[in-house]
Amino acid sequence: AQSVSQHNHHVILSEAASLELGCNYSYGGTVNLFWYVQYPGQHLQLLLKYFSGDPLVKGIKGFEAEFIKSKFSFNLRKPSVQWSDTAEYFCAVTPSRNAGNMLTFGGGTRLMVKP
Amino acid sequence: EAGVTQSPTHLIKTRGQQATLRCSPISGHTSVYWYQQALGLGLQFLLWYDEGEERNRGNFPPRFSGRQFPNYSSELNVNALELEDSALYLCASSLYQGAYSGNTIYFGEGSWLTVV
Repeated sequence: AQSVSQHNHHVILSEAASLELGCNYSYGGTVNLFWYVQYPGQHLQLLLKYFSGDPLVKGIKGFEAEFIKSKFSFNLRKPSVQWSDTAEYFCAVTPSRNAGNMLTFGGGTRLMVKP
Repeated sequence: EAGVTQSPTHLIKTRGQQATLRCSPISGHTSVYWYQQALGLGLQFLLWYDEGEERNRGNFPPRFSGRQFPNYSSELNVNALELEDSALYLCASSLYQGAYSGNTIYFGEGSWLTVV
């Protein structure tokens, strides 16, 4: 079975700082990868996804993630964070050959951006 | 386009009772997933329904069950409620196009279940 690790549980940044959230997964085959965001009081929203092709994926709100197959990683980045990026971020993976594409989530990273 | 909708938003039950949560998927989506987001335990996969049938379930006891109706909406039932069942229950939907397709799963706002 696959697993996902998000090593940073809490991150505090000042506005305009750069962000990188780590995500590593454990699975031997090909995978589909996702980052979801949960703003305070809101539902999980898809930030970006990787299925195949260019390993550098751009998502909404200026976020991007890079799939590094050799490192089993899919780190999320943003060059300059804003106060409105305060949220919890979840990395998720599903094997490409997955009936139903059930997602396995990491434990989440709570990001607080100080104004 | 309406997203995944869930009801009720909040539900308070007593230990031992049964809870029923409801979900309507995005129009055109045939698959419905249920996840539990409990404090300190993260997001755990509960159940997957597609075309009216249960296709897979996570590591939860049989008192967690559900069904999918012909209109693709779904119910999650939790019997014999225990205090640790208190959590946010998330429903999600996707258009299942086969095991090799890159399906994207969209989530609803969730139903808060509190067991006292």
